[in-house]
Amino acid sequence: SQQGEEDPQALSIQEGENATMNCSYKTSINNLQWYRQNSGRGLVHLILIRSNEREKHSGRLRVTLDTSKKSSSLLITASRAADTASYFCATASGYSTLTFGKGTMLLVSP
Amino acid sequence: NAGVMQNPRHLVRRRGQEARLRCSPMKGHSHVYWYRQLPEEGLKFMVYLQKENIIDESGMPKERFSAEFPKEGPSILRIQQVVRGDSAAYFCASSPTSGIKDNEQFFGPGTRLTVL
Repeated sequence: SQQGEEDPQALSIQEGENATMNCSYKTSINNLQWYRQNSGRGLVHLILIRSNEREKHSGRLRVTLDTSKKSSSLLITASRAADTASYFCATASGYSTLTFGKGTMLLVSP
Repeated sequence: NAGVMQNPRHLVRRRGQEARLRCSPMKGHSHVYWYRQLPEEGLKFMVYLQKENIIDESGMPKERFSAEFPKEGPSILRIQQVVRGDSAAYFCASSPTSGIKDNEQFFGPGTRLTVL
């Protein structure tokens, strides 16, 4: 079974709109992280939310975590064309390794 | 402070050859992780190393794959006798501590391996 599954698989919006991506996981976690990957590039760390936190903000990003439902959401407000990328959630439950989902492909059109 | 460096960025090998992928962690980081990403997939953990020690290799295929992180020099992921199914992007990440609570990892740009 997949730990860290993102939903939707793909999302297409216009510039200025908000984008919401969801992530579900199966086991208990220490923290949950969101990463961005531009096509053909490495991953960029966006935000980390600990298991005892419910909401976190960073610039135009807002992350929520519901440990009772084992789910998280990433909201990008006022999206820009430069936000076009794949977004992955990753859970940390062991001492160090991360378990990634398959990602959400976000396309922001001008 | 340079980020995580990986080389080569692209590597082409014929079936049966060996592939060596290198990763230099960020300065001051002593923990290295290797992940593999197949097309249209997320990253899958392969191995976690500290200097001169393999801590967790639960994601490594049992045969043909090996990894090391020597006292001096980069971490090396070696794939012997490559097959077409090994074609993927291999990412290295590093962190300063094992960080049970906040194990943020910093990723390199990846090596894209193509097996012909």
